[in-house]
Amino acid sequence: DAGVIQSPRHEVTEMGQEVTLRCKPISGHDYLFWYRQTMMRGLELLIYFNNNVPIDDSGMPEDRFSAKMPNASFSTLKIQPSEPRDSAVYFCASSLGTLWAFFGQGTRLTVV
Amino acid sequence: GQQLNQSPQSMFIQEGEDVSMNCTSSSIFNTWLWYKQDPGEGPVLLIALYKAGELTSNGRLTAQFGITRKDSFLNISASIPSDVGIYFCAGHGSSNTGKLIFGQGTTLQVKP
Repeated sequence: DAGVIQSPRHEVTEMGQEVTLRCKPISGHDYLFWYRQTMMRGLELLIYFNNNVPIDDSGMPEDRFSAKMPNASFSTLKIQPSEPRDSAVYFCASSLGTLWAFFGQGTRLTVV
Repeated sequence: GQQLNQSPQSMFIQEGEDVSMNCTSSSIFNTWLWYKQDPGEGPVLLIALYKAGELTSNGRLTAQFGITRKDSFLNISASIPSDVGIYFCAGHGSSNTGKLIFGQGTTLQVKP
């Protein structure tokens, strides 16, 4: 298995632009998580899905953030418009039930 | 919401020393997981604990699920330079929603 695949690995964009981060979870996993990691706030859970349905989006910081999971093998996290304070590493993770979660390598986002 | 308090925040030790870090919560957790994150990578699972009182080892690593279900510790024996990284505790709360919460992390540095 290739593991959780995220793209792009790095993204540099200008303030105000739309950013889309992509994730392919491990095949057969029914949970998908989006986390944001910063030095100040550590690993924050933004949103998670179970069987493609969003369960808890209370961690999404603002309406500028949205996430979708159109099918079991793909999810996106979109920021529109992006701001410099959104700069962080964004991780996608997937799990089978409430067992341990496997993480992707992350997308390092820089908004200038 | 449920939170995990991890300590210490950072450690700087000599190669060969033993390391201990812990994680506490004010509420009950059903699972405790310990992850390690290397620079530029996503967190990788080290040990998973599913029963109160459970003591599990993985090589030089030992972790325990506290009897009260509100705490866990991770020990690393005879540290080596490649143990350097950030160690996270994580857990699923008692609500069984699948939500996976992370502690703030312990940064470990090992001096050869």
